[in-house]
Amino acid sequence: GENVEQHPSTLSVQEGDSAVIKCTYSDSASNYFPWYKQELGKRPQLIIDIRSNVGEKKDQRIAVTLNKTAKHFSLHITETQPEDSAVYFCAASNQAGTALIFGKGTTLSVSS
Amino acid sequence: NAGVTQTPKFQVLKTGQSMTLQCAQDMNHEYMSWYRQDPGMGLRLIHYSVGAGITDQGEVPNGYNVSRSTTEDFPLRLLSAAPSQTSVYFCASSYRSARDTEAFFGQGTRLTVV
Repeated sequence: GENVEQHPSTLSVQEGDSAVIKCTYSDSASNYFPWYKQELGKRPQLIIDIRSNVGEKKDQRIAVTLNKTAKHFSLHITETQPEDSAVYFCAASNQAGTALIFGKGTTLSVSS
Repeated sequence: NAGVTQTPKFQVLKTGQSMTLQCAQDMNHEYMSWYRQDPGMGLRLIHYSVGAGITDQGEVPNGYNVSRSTTEDFPLRLLSAAPSQTSVYFCASSYRSARDTEAFFGQGTRLTVV
């Protein structure tokens, strides 16, 4: 089955710096890669996603890149702000769309 | 629009007790799933359903049962609670499958088994 590895597990940056979180997946047939943000005590919420026919997608300060050959995808957050502090999860769906497999999460801390 | 609603928010069980975690969505989503979240382990898929009457196992199904008699409801049953089932449980739904669109999560149920 699909396996998703996520690094780093914790990331501390200064306000205004960039943050990068990387994920690798095992199933070459995976075709959907979302990123979720979970604030303390809250539910996970989608922040951006990318499909296998696209190499990069941007939404304001957030971007995701996908390298299908290497089977890895990354989340880039520019000009970080304290409110970006949260746990971020990457995920990959299997080809059939019957399962969304999550990485173990990255705790991002942005200090002002 | 309530989205995905889970009940209860908190629950304490004794070892061996059974209980049902409720999940309901009002978005007419076909795909529903249950995850458990443990520190350092991310979100692990327990069971999922691609439509009414159809369920299947995820990564960690042992000790849990599900059913999907209607499109709206997807309850998770703990048959005989064990301390290893202490966790935060999230129900999620998406339009047709896990790869179509955003998965909407419920607010979570924090379960403690003593």
